[in-house]
Amino acid sequence: QSALTQPRSVSGSPGQSVTISCTGTSSDVGGYNYVSWYQHHPGKAPKLMIYDVTKRPSGVPDRFSGSKSGNTASLTISGLQAEDEADYYCCSYAGSYTWVFGGGTKLTVL
Amino acid sequence: QLQLQESGPGLVKPSETLSLTCTVSGGSISNSIYYWGWIRQPPGKGLEWIGSIYYSGTTYYIPSLSSRVTISVDTSKNQFSLRLTSVTAADTSVYYCARHLVSSNGFYFDYWGQGTLVTVSS
Repeated sequence: QSALTQPRSVSGSPGQSVTISCTGTSSDVGGYNYVSWYQHHPGKAPKLMIYDVTKRPSGVPDRFSGSKSGNTASLTISGLQAEDEADYYCCSYAGSYTWVFGGGTKLTVL
Repeated sequence: QLQLQESGPGLVKPSETLSLTCTVSGGSISNSIYYWGWIRQPPGKGLEWIGSIYYSGTTYYIPSLSSRVTISVDTSKNQFSLRLTSVTAADTSVYYCARHLVSSNGFYFDYWGQGTLVTVSS
């Protein structure tokens, strides 16, 4: 069970869109539609942003969207805002009631 | 509003046992929909799911830690706990507790504590 692969960092200017990828295998990301995404401002509790690949919890802006193709899931943030600057982590069900996270991506809003 | 709060020693000696408790407020740990999980983050690294427990005591653990980990629940105190034995410096991490939905409606962690740093050092 290896960690999912995310880019270490991405950046964008206010108003732009950015996409964060999350690559796994057919045993996790590719095998199940149970990918979730978390926003983490250091020192605070992580926040659920997307679950079941594409679903948004209530209260999460529709600027955040999720998708999946094969073994790679993606989080897209459109209309970037300063408060979106944070670390983002993906997580996937990996079978046999186990879960695996990604290494995290630092989003910088320029 | 559901809140989770981790508590326990911030410093543990190598080879000893790490013990943490998560206190749940604003909701019942006996809610039949949810599991309760522990996740950790070593310094400068990503998150790692450690394990999850149902209020009845059913547990799931990450295979790589299963020989050293025990998660238990105390419904009377609305708490669940983590024990990790024979710790080494590699177990130094921020430890988070979280509510974990495990059902046909989805698999995700929807409420998290703020985390507590545990350092393994002599």
